[in-house]
Amino acid sequence: GQSLEQPSEVTAVEGAIVQINCTYQTSGFYGLSWYQQHDGGAPTFLSYNALDGLEETGRFSSFLSRSDSYGYLLLQELQMKDSASYFCAAPNTGGFKTIFGAGTRLFVKA
Amino acid sequence: DTAVSQTPKYLVTQMGNDKSIKCEQNLGHDTMYWYKQDSKKFLKIMFSYNNKELIINETVPNRFSPKSPDKAHLNLHINSLELGDSAVYFCASSQRPTGHSGNTIYFGEGSWLTVV
Repeated sequence: GQSLEQPSEVTAVEGAIVQINCTYQTSGFYGLSWYQQHDGGAPTFLSYNALDGLEETGRFSSFLSRSDSYGYLLLQELQMKDSASYFCAAPNTGGFKTIFGAGTRLFVKA
Repeated sequence: DTAVSQTPKYLVTQMGNDKSIKCEQNLGHDTMYWYKQDSKKFLKIMFSYNNKELIINETVPNRFSPKSPDKAHLNLHINSLELGDSAVYFCASSQRPTGHSGNTIYFGEGSWLTVV
């Protein structure tokens, strides 16, 4: 089967840096995406990695290591508004269905 | 100019009732989806349509029936509602079926269904 594992909760303080990890198991791999979801809101796309390495978008960066079946989302200069759930996601074998991890709840404290 | 819009946003109904959720996207995408998010925030795909054709049909009770009159619309009808159907249902779309190019999925705001 296919699965994505990520921690259920992470807590950090405002201004800090936090890393949310995601490990995946899949028989075919087409890349790893990250989505953010605030309470009561819709998941929104943050980033996508198809190849190994770091992709940077403002305060958020995402990393992928295909050989390790591992990726992470890095959030820098944390702000209170970053408190949300973060999901890693990947297409399944064959690529027609995106599977989501169970989500990591990030709490940012003052 | 909401990209993916769904109605109603909130729905409280009694067990045994039949209800529908409507969804429209104005992004010109070919592919639309229904996802279910439970109380633990787990996002699970239910159905996907590509150009009005069903391409994904997960193990979902047949009380759930999607309908796509055109590629911009995907509705979800639920018969004989049960307590366990209480969840947030997200409609979503992408340019094409998710796959090799990391197609971004655009989600609607969700429909919060409570069955009492």
